[in-house]
Amino acid sequence: EDQVTQSPEALRLQEGESSSLNCSYTVSGLRGLFWYRQDPGKGPEFLFTLYSAGEEKEKERLKATLTKKESFLHITAPKPEDSATYLCAVQGNFGNEKLTFGTGTRLTIIP
Amino acid sequence: ETGVTQSPTHLIKTRGQQVTLRCSSQSGHNTVSWYQQALGQGPQFIFQYYREEENGRGNFPPRFSGLQFPNYSSELNVNALELDDSALYLCASSPPTSSAGPLFGQGTRLTVV
Repeated sequence: EDQVTQSPEALRLQEGESSSLNCSYTVSGLRGLFWYRQDPGKGPEFLFTLYSAGEEKEKERLKATLTKKESFLHITAPKPEDSATYLCAVQGNFGNEKLTFGTGTRLTIIP
Repeated sequence: ETGVTQSPTHLIKTRGQQVTLRCSSQSGHNTVSWYQQALGQGPQFIFQYYREEENGRGNFPPRFSGLQFPNYSSELNVNALELDDSALYLCASSPPTSSAGPLFGQGTRLTVV
């Protein structure tokens, strides 16, 4: 069974203080690893898809990387508007689009 | 801006009742999935429909059922509601070919009392 573990559960940073979120996974045949951002009471907002080890994607202050066992979401010089829960999910070879999610990292950026 | 719309946004039901949640996907999105997200947890896969046929199911009992229609809309039906069914229900749709992940709606917050 596919599993995703995210750490830390919660992270408080000062504005401008860079850090990384971790996503460890086990999956039977990785089709894709996804990062989403979720604001309270809202649906997840797509950020990145990574397909193979060594791949990197960037968007504004966010950069996602992938190895064979884990993915990192690096946040550079964050701003208060980056405060949200960041979810990691994997898609395996089930023959459908099923995503297995972690429990997320709740990120708070303090002005 | 998301192309997936869910209704209603909030709903309160009594234990034992039945509920229908609705989702409208973007044109051309042949695949729709439903997820349940309890407070403080990640979304859990309920099931998926592809071209109006169920194409995968998670660990949810048969009282969770669904439908997908030719106009890219879909429904999630839950019978005999239990208190533990209180959660945010998310619909996600996927285009035939895309490097982006499934696109999620804003969710329906269901409270069972």
